[in-house]
Amino acid sequence: QSVLSQPPSASGTPGQRVSISCSGSNSNIGRNYVYWYQLLPGSAPKLLIYTDNQRPSGVPDRFSASKSGTSASLAISGLRSEDEADYYCAGWDDSLSGLEFGGGTKLTVL
Amino acid sequence: EVQLVESGGGLVQPGGSLRLSCAASGFTFSSYWMYWVRQAPGEGLVWVSRINKDGTTMTYADSAKGRFTASRDNAKNMLYLQMNSLRADDTAVYFCARMDGCSRTSCYGNYGLNVWGQGTTVTVFS
Repeated sequence: QSVLSQPPSASGTPGQRVSISCSGSNSNIGRNYVYWYQLLPGSAPKLLIYTDNQRPSGVPDRFSASKSGTSASLAISGLRSEDEADYYCAGWDDSLSGLEFGGGTKLTVL
Repeated sequence: EVQLVESGGGLVQPGGSLRLSCAASGFTFSSYWMYWVRQAPGEGLVWVSRINKDGTTMTYADSAKGRFTASRDNAKNMLYLQMNSLRADDTAVYFCARMDGCSRTSCYGNYGLNVWGQGTTVTVFS
């Protein structure tokens, strides 16, 4: 059971905007940065967001993220079929002294 | 090309050992903290361990403490994970990953796990 909670699933239609939430506590999101990763079937994870809301080079600006208190969210606008993947939030947990991943959210593009 | 390639996975009985390797190329390996992350079948990503740039500081998830040992050989651009006393719940794909933006002593404010290998599969069966 992860200390970062994500909804197990999310869905949207092409062109739509979807959000994925990540809920934590003061020992993780509340005092440390949040990161988001995309995992396509059969592929290595890909970094989408670092330090709460920054995109690495090459990540489309359709992907954005925010954080407030002990919760964070990833938003995907202009949804495309290739966005269908598992999405994970992650961050350091001071109480556990370790990197924690959320349980993952499976995004389906209808 | 920046690349990480894992190897060493396989089938092993409970209580057995395996040594995973991760070959780095295309970047200055000694300048980066390195991480191991695993994904069990049908499950999510789970952090396993990390090692600092010069291999003097290792941190482990509770599930790995006392059983797994991370090490590196910067001269050979290699990262290792020695796994002992393996259990069925260690069955997973193991990824090595490069953490960007760490200083010599801390990864606070890092730029994320920006380079990943394709993973190597470990199956523990009886």
